[in-house]
Amino acid sequence: DAKTTQPPSMDCAEGRAANLPCNHSTISGNEYVYWYRQIHSQGPQYIIHGLKNNETNEMASLIITEDRKSSTLILPHATLRDTAVYYCIVRARGAGNNRKLIWGLGTSLAVNP
Amino acid sequence: DAMVIQNPRYQVTQFGKPVTLSCSQTLNHNVMYWYQQKSSQAPKLLFHYYDKDFNNEADTPDNFQSRRPNTSFCFLDIRSPGLGDAAMYLCATSRVGGELFFGEGSRLTVL
Repeated sequence: DAKTTQPPSMDCAEGRAANLPCNHSTISGNEYVYWYRQIHSQGPQYIIHGLKNNETNEMASLIITEDRKSSTLILPHATLRDTAVYYCIVRARGAGNNRKLIWGLGTSLAVNP
Repeated sequence: DAMVIQNPRYQVTQFGKPVTLSCSQTLNHNVMYWYQQKSSQAPKLLFHYYDKDFNNEADTPDNFQSRRPNTSFCFLDIRSPGLGDAAMYLCATSRVGGELFFGEGSRLTVL
């Protein structure tokens, strides 16, 4: 079963920041938070991941609360091409099968002109 | 340039007629995965390879088999497709412990 909870859908105006929340209240100390997105009829695409510190890359920022029970993915200036399903996933550190991704249903983000 | 390539993108088959989907990668990753994704659902892991070591998920039906003849290629064989096997099949690769890189998927239709 997925260890994350996300709102099923969100809307965002083009050019504005999109803030996608995720709850992972049962996350353990050795688990990372990963974000992937899936544009319609394409394969999922890796966005970003983090353990406890906030992270930023060219695609997005990831803000993880101090207790690590929730996080927010921020797309700073959303474009129409960011319309996709966004998946928040927790994944264990280390090698082996416990590192497999357990996918929830994700958030369907619609960026509107 | 595509790094994980799946063929065919679209496959139509008849009920019970075997199907093979292929996946190739140019990333030289050790790990290759096959996922099944049905409409409006999250991807579901069927199995994965760590080099040549095959790891089957406990709930993957026997109808699904896989082959990995070398590092670059991996195949998904569906021996007797049923209507319930209609789905998008996603191949992904990764380094050990790294993020997954997905192909564009193969959409299977069963008539």
